[in-house]
Amino acid sequence: EVQLLESGGGLVQPGGSLRLSCAASGFTFSSYAMSWVRQAPGKGLEWVSGVSGSGGSTSYAGSVKGRFTISRDNSKSTVYLQMSSLRAEDTAVYYCAKGQGTTIISTDYWGQGTLVSVSS
Amino acid sequence: DIQMTQSPSSLSASVGDTVTITCRASLGISNYLAWFQQKPGKAPKSLISAASSLQSGVPSKFSGSGSGTDFTLTISSLQPEDCATYYCQQYNSLPLTFGGGTKVEIK
Repeated sequence: EVQLLESGGGLVQPGGSLRLSCAASGFTFSSYAMSWVRQAPGKGLEWVSGVSGSGGSTSYAGSVKGRFTISRDNSKSTVYLQMSSLRAEDTAVYYCAKGQGTTIISTDYWGQGTLVSVSS
Repeated sequence: DIQMTQSPSSLSASVGDTVTITCRASLGISNYLAWFQQKPGKAPKSLISAASSLQSGVPSKFSGSGSGTDFTLTISSLQPEDCATYYCQQYNSLPLTFGGGTKVEIK
């Protein structure tokens, strides 16, 4: 059974940093790309970032490029999202999602999400 | 970035009805289109990929069609458990982008 467990969310001040983690199990982690998708309160879904199965290819939404960094540790079956220079508009539930292949394409399984609140 | 436009933004239908949601891409995306269902307070669930391929375990009451720029998600025999917000997503090119969502309610 595929399981994705996000952690690391919380309250942070504007301009601060936070690192999210997503521990995966139930599949061959290195064979699949991973993505982070967020949802601001009462809003729709926004794809944030993705990383290929090998970790050699990454991509970002324009809204976070230069501030967020995605990475993965295939030995630990974990994907990370390092977030810096956080803004109020980054407040959202952040979901980790498993890709359907090694490259960054659509997703089939999602975690339950972790809430990030950016406020002073 | 490719813009995805869903319509309607919300709909209300009776139990047993067939409902259709439309998704339009700002550029041609072949069949690189996915559909997701999200119930309140829950994580999204993948329904369809490649425009028309049902994910494992998804009931056949859900169907998808389309190619290029215009796509549809059809839900047949609407039931109370189908009440949710539905999103389309293109994965033809990065960054991946979602439609704004369609909220489906029972009349």
